[in-house]
Amino acid sequence: AAGVIQSPRHLIKEKRETATLKCYPIPRHDTVYWYQQGPGQDPQFLISFYEKMQSDKGSIPDRFSAQQFSDYHSELNMSSLELGDSALYFCASSEGSDRVNYGYTFGSGTRLTVV
Amino acid sequence: GESVGLHLPTLSVQEGDNSIINCAYSNSASDYFIWYKQESGKGPQFIIDIRSNMDKRQGQRVTVLLNKTVKHLSLQIAATQPGDSAVYFCAETGGGADGLTFGKGTHLIIQP
Repeated sequence: AAGVIQSPRHLIKEKRETATLKCYPIPRHDTVYWYQQGPGQDPQFLISFYEKMQSDKGSIPDRFSAQQFSDYHSELNMSSLELGDSALYFCASSEGSDRVNYGYTFGSGTRLTVV
Repeated sequence: GESVGLHLPTLSVQEGDNSIINCAYSNSASDYFIWYKQESGKGPQFIIDIRSNMDKRQGQRVTVLLNKTVKHLSLQIAATQPGDSAVYFCAETGGGADGLTFGKGTHLIIQP
């Protein structure tokens, strides 16, 4: 079965650089979520999109932005990278239905290292 | 702020025994709860979910119990196997496209 695809798997950037992470949801899933997980931490919700519109916003820094495209894939853009941005970034997708979303499925994540 | 939390950071069990992982939540508006298993360097893997209109749900070797009165969630794993070693997270949401709120993970260690 198709899963949530994230790219790249690993990314190394220097401080103050920019990074773009991509997420391709499971076919027919119309909702995408982004999470950040620091070492030894639980995943923290950043932002979500439903039908290409921003739906919910969590602890996403102002330096980060995201969008969902017409094919439902999503990109997380990160600027002015800081050492503290080093983390695993997960994307999840689900099928939205009348305020009850089904099938939350996570991708394998992108490991971002800022040096 | 409201959060979801776990009682113990590490749980050690003998292979073959049953494991019980607990979770307390504080958001009374939560109506959907999920248990995830996460292995090192991998994404959270769905184990089982339960909606607030239920108090028990069973899967293969796993059972989730929900007690809305005391806002408590538990995951029971029957006949624990070495492959069950991982960090387990509970998560909750109010539904829709709201993000999940994760609790602190519990590291399940299986002793031979």
